[in-house]
This record gives sequence, C-alpha cells and structure tokens, in this order.
Amino acid sequence: DTAVSQTPKYLVTQMGNDKSIKCEQNLGHDTMYWYKQDSKKFLKIMFSYNNKELIINETVPNRFSPKSPDKAHLNLHINSLELGDSAVYFCASSLTSGTGGKLFFGSGTQLSVL
Amino acid sequence: DQQVKQNSPSLSVQEGRISILNCDYTNSMFDYFLWYKKYPAEGPTFLISISSIKDKNEDGRFTVFLNKSAKHLSLHIVPSQPGDSAVYFCAARSNTPLVFGKGTRLSVIA
Repeated sequence: DTAVSQTPKYLVTQMGNDKSIKCEQNLGHDTMYWYKQDSKKFLKIMFSYNNKELIINETVPNRFSPKSPDKAHLNLHINSLELGDSAVYFCASSLTSGTGGKLFFGSGTQLSVL
Repeated sequence: DQQVKQNSPSLSVQEGRISILNCDYTNSMFDYFLWYKKYPAEGPTFLISISSIKDKNEDGRFTVFLNKSAKHLSLHIVPSQPGDSAVYFCAARSNTPLVFGKGTRLSVIA
C-alpha cells in the first residue's frame, strides 16, 4: 500500500490549459509539500501545508494554487500552463513541520507542456 | 544561489569497493543534513541523516560524515553493491523546508 501517492504519473498538455495533480498520503502525517524538479535537476520547495493550513509559499506564480481539503490530501492546480512549467512535480509528507526534515515522497508527476 | 552543492554529477565504482559522495553547503545556519536516494521513475527515499552536533552517523553500509568547519559532508557506502546504483541527493535544513543539491548519479559496476 503506497504511503504517498500522486496522480497522474505523466501529464502531457498544451500551453494555456489548466491541469491538476492529486496527492494523498496514508501515513497520518500533518505536513505535506509540493516540490518541483526542473530541467537542471534541482528539487525546490513550492508549497507546504500543515494540517490543511498553508505555511510556506516559495514565490511561486499565482497560476499555481495548492488545495488541501484535509490533512491527507494536497492537490496542485495549475492555470494557463506555460512551456517553463514542464518539470517533474513531487508531493511529499512529513510527520510534522519540524521533524528533522525526513520527508516521504510520492513517485512524481512528469508534466510536459507543448 | 545554490546553498547545497554536489559538484560531481556522476560517479562510477566497482562492486565491493567504497563509494564516497560529497556535498558542500554555504549556509552556516543549517543544523540537520540528510541523504536521499532516488531510482528512476520513483520519488527520493530517505537514506541517512546527521545532526550538526555530530560528526559521524553510521547505519549498516552507510556512513555520513560532517565537517562543519569546512561546511562539507560526505556519504560513504561500503561495500558498494549494484543495487546502490541510483541518484543520491544531499539535503539540509535550518527551520526551513529541505534544501536539496542537484544529486550525484552513482553507478556500481559488477
């Protein structure tokens, strides 16, 4: 049973479209994250939610909107997709926001914007 | 501004030998360091960590060394096995979300 699962695994879409990526964790963790791995392979934090509350927003364009209906789910909506949004997006969770940084990652969503 | 740097994009090691992966950081406020391992088409998985109050942490074949004065840490894998072939990410934090390096691809050759 997957601890952190995100869907879809692959997403190919046209510029200007709106898309969503879903994430769920069954670990009972309080904190969830979205990370982006760009073409240069850096893994960068985008958002962090603690028990459904946004605690970190790392200067991500407001075309990206996370939504956390409950602490087990953190979805990512992206409006008006641009070529530069092509990347791998990883969802992750941790027990709390201060647990030494031990994150559990999903398997990633490869987004390709054409 | 790369606060966590892994200057070697790749490393090849013979099976049974030691693998040494290096990581440098610039932020002296970092107080906790982690190594993650990533296989293709999977997310990173936690491997080992070390607090800034220690200089060594060992877990089986994996040992992490921290040199705070040099702002340098390294991951030693002994003996290396083919299943260790993966991308290894160094990460650090200081009351912030994890900051990751770009990763080093380790290939263990049988």
